[in-house]
This record gives sequence, structure tokens and C-alpha cells, in this order.
Amino acid sequence: ETGVTQTPRHLVMGMTNKKSLKCEQHLGHNAMYWYKQSAKKPLELMFVYNFKEQTENNSVPSRFSPECPNSSHLFLHLHTLQPEDSALYLCASSQAQPPTDTQYFGPGTRLTVL
Amino acid sequence: AQKVTQAQTEISVVEKEDVTLDCVYETRDTTYYLFWYKQPPSGELVFLIRRNSFDEQNEISGRYSWNFQKSTSSFNFTITASQVVDSAVYFCALATGGTSYGKLTFGQGTILTVHP
Repeated sequence: ETGVTQTPRHLVMGMTNKKSLKCEQHLGHNAMYWYKQSAKKPLELMFVYNFKEQTENNSVPSRFSPECPNSSHLFLHLHTLQPEDSALYLCASSQAQPPTDTQYFGPGTRLTVL
Repeated sequence: AQKVTQAQTEISVVEKEDVTLDCVYETRDTTYYLFWYKQPPSGELVFLIRRNSFDEQNEISGRYSWNFQKSTSSFNFTITASQVVDSAVYFCALATGGTSYGKLTFGQGTILTVHP
């Protein structure tokens, strides 16, 4: 595997379900990010981890819970989501030299909340 | 606050035409970085270029070229002799100095459709 991978690529869940999104980077980077891309909206930064420490939480509702066990893996745990949470969730990584190191993105997880 | 504006929501061209995607940014910082990403239908954002605020040299990479003009706060992207494979959503993004690690502000994106 190369670059940034995300699983699953598609996910359909009910509002009462609990699921997790997984991201893995194979670039030797130290910073990882979660973005949300909704239809007709700019990409929204959700969370930033640098050397496994969360450095940014962009006022994200608590029904989204990130986890970064090491610099290569990032999870987004989902529970009791709302239909408006349906979106493309993108993971990215960078070398972590603030503030401008290039971010490389994964293919995203297309989430549908019923 | 930072802002990126991509005024062109959608552009449609015929193959082999040249096309320019506009990007205008706003920031009070003197040090900043500008990016272009391509998002094909598969969904992944593909990094195309990064340019810092102290380097106004235009850049060419194959059929792609970028025109950075600080005087007009613009960072426009031109595709020469467009191809069907260029069809995608293109995003311009801005990152500035500060304590946030690589916090990017994205524009709304421009949907480019290249017809055969």
C-alpha cells in the first residue's frame, strides 16, 4: 500500500448505529487530519493530530470521536449520527512542519446516514 | 481571517481547448502558502502544487501552469490543450502562519468538464 488509505470506502448506517472509519498513511508523516466534505460546501477541517496528540478540534459535535493510536493510523468513531452528517470524510497526512507542509489525502469514505 | 474564492462554479470546454481556473485569496499574513488540488470522481484530493508567498515565479509542469500575482491576490491555474482526463473538481487552498499545523482554507471548488 502506498500513500493514504481509507476504509471502508462506502458506509451506510442508521442513526443508532456505531461505526468507525479508518485511515492509514504509509508516507512516514507525523500529522494526520480528518475533513468533512458535504455537497455544495467547502471542505471543513474537523480534527488535527500531530505526533499522536490532538492539536485541533474544529467545534465538532461529540458524536464524532477521533482516535490516533500512532502516527500512521487515525480513526473516526461515529455514534448516533444525524442525516446531515452524510458526507465524504477525507483523511490527510503531512510531515507536520507547521504551518504549511503539504497535505496528502486519502480517497475518502462516503458516509450515508439513514 | 483567511478566505479563498473560486468564482467559477463550473466550466465546460471541448478537448484541446485551454482553460484557466481562477483563485483569489485574502489574508493579512505576509507569509502564506497556496495550493491547488484536483479531485477526480474517485474522491481523492490529488496535490498539484504548493507556492509560498515569497516566490512569485510562475510555474509550468507539462500542460499545467500557474500564475501567482500578489498584487491582485490571485493564484490562477491554466490547463493547456485540455483532455477528458482533466475532468474533475479543482480546489485552491491557503495556509498561513500560526500555531495550527497546516490548517488549510479551501475555496468552494471549480467543476471542470472536458468534452471529447
